[in-house]
Amino acid sequence: DTAVSQTPKYLVTQMGNDKSIKCEQNLGHDTMYWYKQDSKKFLKIMFSYNNKELIINETVPNRFSPKSPDKAHLNLHINSLELGDSAVYFCASSPRGDTYGYTFGSGTRLTVV
Amino acid sequence: AQSVAQPEDQVNVAEGNPLTVKCTYSVSGNPYLFWYVQYPNRGLQFLLKYITGDNLVKGSYGFEAEFNKSQTSFHLKKPSALVSDSALYFCAVRDAWGDYGQNFVFGPGTRLSVLP
Repeated sequence: DTAVSQTPKYLVTQMGNDKSIKCEQNLGHDTMYWYKQDSKKFLKIMFSYNNKELIINETVPNRFSPKSPDKAHLNLHINSLELGDSAVYFCASSPRGDTYGYTFGSGTRLTVV
Repeated sequence: AQSVAQPEDQVNVAEGNPLTVKCTYSVSGNPYLFWYVQYPNRGLQFLLKYITGDNLVKGSYGFEAEFNKSQTSFHLKKPSALVSDSALYFCAVRDAWGDYGQNFVFGPGTRLSVLP
């Protein structure tokens, strides 16, 4: 299946831990993104990557760092997790061009206890 | 800065009735507008987009949206609602873009409940 896949789907961890969420797309898209959806379902962009270059970095704490080993992968590393990091994190991708929407992964629900 | 408003947190409609989910936007320049749907425990799925051309845009699952420049609105519509349409709907406007990709600003979402 052509898709954007994220792992894990659920992640429960303690405060202070370091964790990673993986994302892979087999759509041949040029750009990948990470979005955070909070408990009120509000979506906010965190990062986007194109050809291994960080293009957009919103005001996200530097405890969050995206890592892209290749064009098809964009992983999200989070250090020193805090309670407020609990949210659903969505990976997405889009092809080159200005008129395309995103293809989203199914999300990773992160719960920090 | 671009922004999107969805004035209704929740829309309830009976199955078979027409539905409307409202969206208004504020952009500088030409608006590129999108609708996405999120089913429970799923990622967002693209429904339709307006870039240019006809003000009435048709999309997936029988949905359509009407672009109204004077009212800066992009309401999502469907002539006959199905129970399976119950989901969270997001309106989005393209914010920044370039050869590298694009950034969207999403509205807060509207939960649609279609009652049997």
